[in-house]
Amino acid sequence: RKEVEQDPGPFNVPEGATVAFNCTYSNSASQSFFWYRQDCRKEPKLLMSVYSSGNEDGRFTAQLNRASQYISLLIRDSKLSDSATYLCVVTLSGNTPLVFGKGTRLSVIA
Amino acid sequence: EADIYQTPRYLVIGTGKKITLECSQTMGHDKMYWYQQDPGMELHLIHYSYGVNSTEKGDLSSESTVSRIRTEHFPLTLESARPSHTSQYLCATTRDSGANVLTFGAGSRLTVL
Repeated sequence: RKEVEQDPGPFNVPEGATVAFNCTYSNSASQSFFWYRQDCRKEPKLLMSVYSSGNEDGRFTAQLNRASQYISLLIRDSKLSDSATYLCVVTLSGNTPLVFGKGTRLSVIA
Repeated sequence: EADIYQTPRYLVIGTGKKITLECSQTMGHDKMYWYQQDPGMELHLIHYSYGVNSTEKGDLSSESTVSRIRTEHFPLTLESARPSHTSQYLCATTRDSGANVLTFGAGSRLTVL
């Protein structure tokens, strides 16, 4: 079983829609969780960290479910500019490298 | 925004040539990483370093080698390039505090003919 699993998509949604991605991780000892965004042919960039209590940044909400070992990303009121690949990232501790999922591709259509 | 630079951005080279991809950061961070990513595919960690004279291999076996003689530089070398090495190589760094928030360079896109 892969350490981090994501549905590759693509998710094709109309502007204004709400879309949610899930990501599962296999190591229950994982400590830190992130969502990164990667535009086509660009480097990944941090979108948001995921905290145990859940956190929100504008239209983006991230949640962590330790019992079921998954994290989620919810995007409300999708914009065309949200079209990108969203990477789920997990790490055991500050001294272990991050593990990236394969990414979920989102296309927001006018 | 973190300052991490990669050169060259694009390189087209013939089989058998020696290549060095440069990565440098101005923040004095100890942790640096090299990832390899084919178009539309996942990121694979190939090398990382937690400080000067410390290097480790990542999850994906790679014929490349790295060195970390100075904190600021983490070059990646291919002694004899092959078409199978054609890919994008992304360098990244992070703070020491354990936050593990990676900042990536813009990448070096390598094509071996």
